[in-house]
Amino acid sequence: DTEVTQTPKHLVMGMTNKKSLKCEQHMGHRAMYWYKQKAKKPPELMFVYSYEKLSINESVPSRFSPECPNSSLLNLHLHALQPEDSALYLCASSRGSGTYEQYFGPGTRLTVT
Amino acid sequence: AQSVTQLDSHVSVSEGTPVLLRCNYSSSYSPSLFWYVQHPNKGLQLLLKYTSAATLVKGINGFEAEFKKSETSFHLTKPSAHMSDAAEYFCVVSEEAGYSTLTFGKGTMLLVSP
Repeated sequence: DTEVTQTPKHLVMGMTNKKSLKCEQHMGHRAMYWYKQKAKKPPELMFVYSYEKLSINESVPSRFSPECPNSSLLNLHLHALQPEDSALYLCASSRGSGTYEQYFGPGTRLTVT
Repeated sequence: AQSVTQLDSHVSVSEGTPVLLRCNYSSSYSPSLFWYVQHPNKGLQLLLKYTSAATLVKGINGFEAEFKKSETSFHLTKPSAHMSDAAEYFCVVSEEAGYSTLTFGKGTMLLVSP
């Protein structure tokens, strides 16, 4: 099974709201990732977790806060977002943090009003 | 440093004709190369990967790609396009160095007409 699941599929939030995106994989992968994708652009890496520790933060604003409660779960906490943060947020996982293929979830379509 | 150039932003083919999506890469180390496909409002699906075994790589749905080190290319081909192949395709490189992250090309939109 090469499935990564993400919830919710769609999210609309105001600029003062706090919400969370969730990602889950049961492939035994030890690296998990958050990407942001704007329309007609490739995904942009936000965060990398390796063995449940944050290993890469690509200078993401603090209004995005990642969390890895265990090896199967990855959350992205959102607070005080801006309209320009509206995008498709993709979660991915891989066997490790080396040159392994990444498996992507279906994404959460986020709209900030 | 690694980079990827997808030579065409859009490719249009007729159903049943061959598909060629072109990709050139630059890498300081031994790269791993991938092709991903993304249908509208969906996540990315791995089509195939090259990791220094065979230079001709077969993937899902009849796609294949050939790694040519001398040309630094990794073009994606399919003998006969199907309407369901219409999607965005990303060529991706990953190097063997430290925390290996993916570098994406800008994408090629494949349009398939009946």
